[in-house]
Amino acid sequence: GNSVTQMEGPVTLSEEAFLTINCTYTATGYPSLFWYVQYPGEGLQLLLKATKADDKGSNKGFEATYRKETTSFHLEKGSVQVSDSAVYFCALDSGNTGKLIFGQGTTLQVKP
Amino acid sequence: SAVISQKPSRDICQRGTSLTIQCQVDSQVTMMFWYRQQPGQSLTLIATANQGSEATYESGFVIDKFPISRPNLTFSTLTVSNMSPEDSSIYLCSVTTGGNGELFFGEGSRLTVL
Repeated sequence: GNSVTQMEGPVTLSEEAFLTINCTYTATGYPSLFWYVQYPGEGLQLLLKATKADDKGSNKGFEATYRKETTSFHLEKGSVQVSDSAVYFCALDSGNTGKLIFGQGTTLQVKP
Repeated sequence: SAVISQKPSRDICQRGTSLTIQCQVDSQVTMMFWYRQQPGQSLTLIATANQGSEATYESGFVIDKFPISRPNLTFSTLTVSNMSPEDSSIYLCSVTTGGNGELFFGEGSRLTVL
């Protein structure tokens, strides 16, 4: 069946460091891929998405590229801030149904 | 976009009791979903709440345990029945407003079962 695997956390970085959170997926066909973020005390919100191979999603300085050849959708940011501290979830939707399959989440802590 | 309100935001419940969680959306939406996030784990889809018909449950979830109502296009409830400590989780309501797959989430209802 379909699945999403994320790198385990927590990830602790200093401010202005480079961030990579790995995400790989298993799915039939051509799923849409998402990164959701959950800030402390808030609900999940969409960070970025990509709907087809080689698409790059970007938002708030974060980027992720849909790599079908490696079935990956790694999240990157060139310079993290303390305000980026949150839990990040990679997810896929295999049929544009709204039924998302989530990875286990990666906690990011950015220290000043 | 959509703004979703869930009630209660948190509750502590006794084993064997049932609790109903309410989800209110600020606009009419076709599809509403209920997810569960167990402690330290990812989100798992429980069911799709369909307006005018019975909910569609995912594998491992049954209507007797998680009855769902969807009386109109802006509201849904999820009941967690005959609770046990294993039901301690965050329950999240979510909606999609278009065909792009993006989901909007409520802030969740954190249940602790003693």
